[in-house]
Amino acid sequence: QTVVTQEPSFSVTPGGTVALTCGLSSGSVSSDYYPSWYQQTPGQAPRTLIYNTNTRSSGVPHRFSGSILGNKAALIITGAQADDESDYYCVLFMGNGISMFGGGTKLTVL
Amino acid sequence: QLQLQESGPGLVKPSGTLSLTCAVSGDSINNGDWWSWVRQPPGRGLEWIGEIFHSGTTNYNPSLKSRVNISVDKSKNQFSLTLSSVTAADTAFYYCAKDSGPNPGVWGQGVLVTVSS
Repeated sequence: QTVVTQEPSFSVTPGGTVALTCGLSSGSVSSDYYPSWYQQTPGQAPRTLIYNTNTRSSGVPHRFSGSILGNKAALIITGAQADDESDYYCVLFMGNGISMFGGGTKLTVL
Repeated sequence: QLQLQESGPGLVKPSGTLSLTCAVSGDSINNGDWWSWVRQPPGRGLEWIGEIFHSGTTNYNPSLKSRVNISVDKSKNQFSLTLSSVTAADTAFYYCAKDSGPNPGVWGQGVLVTVSS
């Protein structure tokens, strides 16, 4: 069974740029998978950052962007800030009406 | 402004049925979008449960399909989740959401459901 893959953890320095990725255990991710990205801090509901690969949700800062990099979807944070330290999840539309989440990436800003 | 609010029992006995409702305000459930349920066991990742269209058309996670039912009540502008034959593994925060594209977009605050005797 195909699994959606994410880095378990990542770190970035304040002001730095990081690309978190979302791949497939078998195959390549394209815009046809309509990747979405979510940010979640402890005790809170997820917050949608990006949907349909690169569309920013209302109110999301411009330092968050989405794209396809190689064979994966990517969430790019440019000019990381301390309060970007969170868990980040991607989800892919697998077709046949089914969506599948990745396991999440714990981002540390230090 | 769109808001979603989950409600239902916070405690369900093993082998029982979990039932939750998502009340939608600030938007009509008839507007042509899909409406989803997602869950998250404490300290773990997100799991897509399924979704429903206002017509009643549904899509479910294959791993839960035999136990899940999602329904819509257009008169009350709400949709519901039932999960049967629950075990401790079904203990989780349950979130409802309005889809943006084919995936969850606007989220409710979530509700914790514990399966325990």
